Order: sequence, then C-alpha cells, then structure tokens
Amino acid sequence: AQSVTQLGSHVSVSEGALVLLRCNYSSSVPPYLFWYVQYPNQGLQLLLKYTTGATLVKGINGFEAEFKKSETSFHLTKPSAHMSDAAEYFCAVGPWNKLIFGAGTRLAVHP
Amino acid sequence: DAGVIQSPRHEVTEMGQEVTLRCKPISGHDYLFWYRQTMMRGLELLIYFNNNVPIDDSGMPEDRFSAKMPNASFSTLKIQPSEPRDSAVYFCASRATRGAADNEQFFGPGTRLTVL
Repeated sequence: AQSVTQLGSHVSVSEGALVLLRCNYSSSVPPYLFWYVQYPNQGLQLLLKYTTGATLVKGINGFEAEFKKSETSFHLTKPSAHMSDAAEYFCAVGPWNKLIFGAGTRLAVHP
Repeated sequence: DAGVIQSPRHEVTEMGQEVTLRCKPISGHDYLFWYRQTMMRGLELLIYFNNNVPIDDSGMPEDRFSAKMPNASFSTLKIQPSEPRDSAVYFCASRATRGAADNEQFFGPGTRLTVL
C-alpha cells in the first residue's frame, strides 16, 4: 500500500523567503512522486514529478523537489517566494492511474 | 486547447434529488478520472475509465453513485438520491498515454456540489 503525509497544513512565508513544503511517503515499490498546485476555484496543476533518474527534479514556476529514498521524502522548495505562489500544494504518490494524494498544505505569502 | 471541461461549475440541490455532473476530456485522451475533494477526506479517486471502459470503481462510495462514459468525449457522474454528505468539489481529469507511461493527468476546474 502507498500513502503520503504532508507535514503542516498551513505554511506562511514572507515574499522573497525560502519556501519549504514537506512530504513523506510510504511505498512498497519504487515510487512515482508528484507535486500539484491548486489555485482558488481551479483544478490541480502538475508542478513536477519524479519517476526515475535524477533525484533532483525541477518544475514550473521555479519549484524543485528532491527524492530522498533513505528518508522517504520528497520535499518541495523554492528559493524565493512570490505573492503569486499563494495556493494549496498537494504531494502525491503512485502510478499515474492510481494517485494517492496528501492532505495538502496551504501556502500563504505575505509582503 | 480547451482543457478538461466540467459542467455545471456550481450545483445546489436538495436532499433526495438526482444530480448529474458532466465532463468533457481533452480530445485524444484515453483515460478519464473522477475525483472528490472534501475537507475531511481530501482528494479521493472515485473511478477511472480507459477507452470508455470503467477500469477501477473501488473508490465509488455507495450504490447511489454511478458513472458512465458513452463515448470518448463525454462522461457523467450521477448521484441518486443525493445526501448532504455528498457535498464536495468533484473533479474530472484526463490523460493520454500515446505509448508513454508517464503522461500527466490534466484536471478540470471542478464542480462544487452543495446538497441541502
């Protein structure tokens, strides 16, 4: 069975500060890992994904995530937050047809 | 590209009524997914189709829920009778494989359902 735990349902950062959203997973097989973003009243949009290969994955809007097998983690980072990054972020694990989503982390960015 | 289209965007109904949610996937996509998002349970996969055939409906909560995909460009999720606990945002997503195993799911904007 696979599962995802996102640490922190709410994260607040200042504009220009580092963004760090935490995700830990559980999987009995080599995982596929994803980060999605959801803006208010919109569907989910893929930020980045890890399937195989390089463990540091770069995505859209300056986000990146690193797959750490030893820590079963896939934390999302961005060096400098923008006001437009305010949204809800979801970590997910699984094959494409059976994604298991975490509970989500709401990111607030203040001036 | 129009993206995944869902209708209606908002639906308010009374308990006991039938509700039908509609989805038009992206043209050429061969997988279609229905999700439900609630505060309590987060985002859950309800059912998915491949080439219009239901593959896995293990997430469908009860017999009151049914989903169909009569053709490649249209799917419905029906709740009959509806109950207040069905209130949620329902998302449709589609995906193309085209020989690659890791093509992403594209989500529609969702239908916000409120059952009074």
